[in-house]
Formats: sequence, C-alpha cells, structure tokens
Amino acid sequence: EAQVTQNPRYLITVTGKKLTVTCSQNMNHEYMSWYRQDPGLGLRQIYYSMNVEVTDKGDVPEGYKVSRKEKRNFPLILESPSPNQTSLYFCASSLDRDGGARNEQFFGPGTRLTVL
Amino acid sequence: AQSVTQPDIHITVSEGASLELRCNYSYGATPYLFWYVQSPGQGLQLLLKYFSGDTLVQGIKGFEAEFKRSQSSFNLRKPSVHWSDAAEYFCAVGARSGGGADGLTFGKGTHLIIQP
Repeated sequence: EAQVTQNPRYLITVTGKKLTVTCSQNMNHEYMSWYRQDPGLGLRQIYYSMNVEVTDKGDVPEGYKVSRKEKRNFPLILESPSPNQTSLYFCASSLDRDGGARNEQFFGPGTRLTVL
Repeated sequence: AQSVTQPDIHITVSEGASLELRCNYSYGATPYLFWYVQSPGQGLQLLLKYFSGDTLVQGIKGFEAEFKRSQSSFNLRKPSVHWSDAAEYFCAVGARSGGGADGLTFGKGTHLIIQP
C-alpha cells in the first residue's frame, strides 16, 4: 500500500530533550515536506526537500532541523524542544521535484507532540 | 507571497442539505489550487485540484469546486452532505515563492458540522 508513515504518533517530552520524528514514504517520491498544524493557524510548512541531500526552509523553520540522506526518509529533528513546539506535525511527499507547488501531496497520519 | 483565506471557521449543515465552503486566495499569477479534507485523527486527503482548463473541477466523494479568477475564489460545493462529511476542510494554493517556502500555503481551515 502506498503510504507515508510517521513515528511516533504521540510523544510527550520535556524541554530541552532532543527528539526525532521519523517520516518514510514508499512511493519513490522526490519531494518531501514537514508541516505543523496549530489551532486557528492551519498548516504551516517547516522544511521541505526536493531530493536527496537537498533541503530548504519553509515558513517556520526555527528550532527544527531535517536531513535527507535517503530518498524515502525525511526525519524531523528538534535539538532542544520548547513548549511552543507543542503541535501536530505532518509529513508529506509528492511525485516530482515540482511537486511542492503543483502535484498532490500525500500526507502521513500525523505526530502529536507535547513539550512540557 | 501567496495567501489563502477561508472566511468561515465553523459551518453547520443539516444532513442532506447542500454545502458551499468558501476560499479566497491571493497570488500574482495563475495559481494551483487544492482542497484537502482532514477527518478526526487522520492526515489530510486530497479532494480535488485545479491547475488549468475547465474551471469547474470534480473531486472525490461527490465534491466539486469552481475556480473564479475575477473573484480570486475556489469555493467547494456538494449538493447533499452526509454525516461522514463532518471534518476539517483546507483550501491550499501551490506556488513557487522565490526565496520563500516551496510548497502549499494553506488556509486556516473550516470545521464542518453535520446536523442529523
């Protein structure tokens, strides 16, 4: 089944404790992206990647890091989480390198993160 | 930079009644437009998209949307809603923004409630 998977689905952590949220897609997509969803704000893009070893900042990149060492994986790293990063996070992928703007994005099920 | 406005935060509709969700966008060129649906606890699923051509587009689950350039709108419609349509609906515009984010810009969402 074609899908985007994220792990963990739920995470409660404390301020300053480094964490990684994994994202993997099995559709051989070149484009991958991370969004955060907050009440009243909709979804905002954190980082995106056009291809392996190519990443760039989205609208709200502060406090986050990403890497794209393999085509299928795009982990989101919070080096020192803070309470304002409590949010619902979505990973998405799309078919080609223009996919960010033009093609359907396939979304993972989301990771609900709480930072105490 | 592009932006999307969904003026209605919540909409309540009786089951079997017609539905229209409003979406207005701001973008300097012809946009790529999308409607996504998010069911409770789920990721986002694409309902339909507009790239060019016929301004009335058909999507899944009986939804359609009409692109009106003169009004900068892309409203979503359904002639008869079902209880299973209760969800959060997001309008999005896809565009390259030069030095900014490359991906989708989402509206803040409209929460659809279905009354029996």
